[in-house]
Amino acid sequence: QKEVEQNSGPLSVPEGAIASLNCTYSDRGSQSFFWYRQYSGKSPELIMSIYSNGDKEDGRFTAQLNKASQYVSLLIRDSQPSDSATYLCAVNRGEDTGRRALTFGSGTRLQVQP
Amino acid sequence: DGGITQSPKYLFRKEGQNVTLSCEQNLNHDAMYWYRQDPGQGLRLIYYSQIVNDFQKGDIAEGYSVSREKKESFPLTVTSAQKNPTAFYLCASSTLPRAELFFGSGTQLSVL
Repeated sequence: QKEVEQNSGPLSVPEGAIASLNCTYSDRGSQSFFWYRQYSGKSPELIMSIYSNGDKEDGRFTAQLNKASQYVSLLIRDSQPSDSATYLCAVNRGEDTGRRALTFGSGTRLQVQP
Repeated sequence: DGGITQSPKYLFRKEGQNVTLSCEQNLNHDAMYWYRQDPGQGLRLIYYSQIVNDFQKGDIAEGYSVSREKKESFPLTVTSAQKNPTAFYLCASSTLPRAELFFGSGTQLSVL
């Protein structure tokens, strides 16, 4: 089992719709969770971070965390063609050991159709 | 402007050659990281460092070496022992204890 799993996609949604991206993780000790957006040929950029159960909203983005079920999701409202990119889920492992390094999923490719 | 600078943007390696990728940050971040990304794949951790003169192996450290002599700098050497070095290499930094990574623009390494 991979430490961080994502559906590779592509996930195709029409412009203006809600895009829902999901991620599961295996380490129950993980405490910090991140979503990055990566355009083709570019480096990842941080979109959202979430540390506690529930929802966290920032503009059109909402991150949701459920530690009991070990999943984290990202909702993008009013999707725009410019949102077309690969979205990487990342989890901070080793919280109790002092080792702080993110483990990344393989990413979900999102396509927003005009 | 504060940020992370990686150089060169493109690098070509001949067989049997060692090459060094540069990473410099002026964000005053304590921790620095190197990741490798293969086409269509996620990021895999090579090495990371939380303080000067100390670093830890990641998941795929074989064939790579690093140094951390200054807080601002974390160069990565791809040695001849790395038989499949073609990939996109990403340097990142973060404050501690939170590991919100901020990335440089990356170096694309190819084999001649």
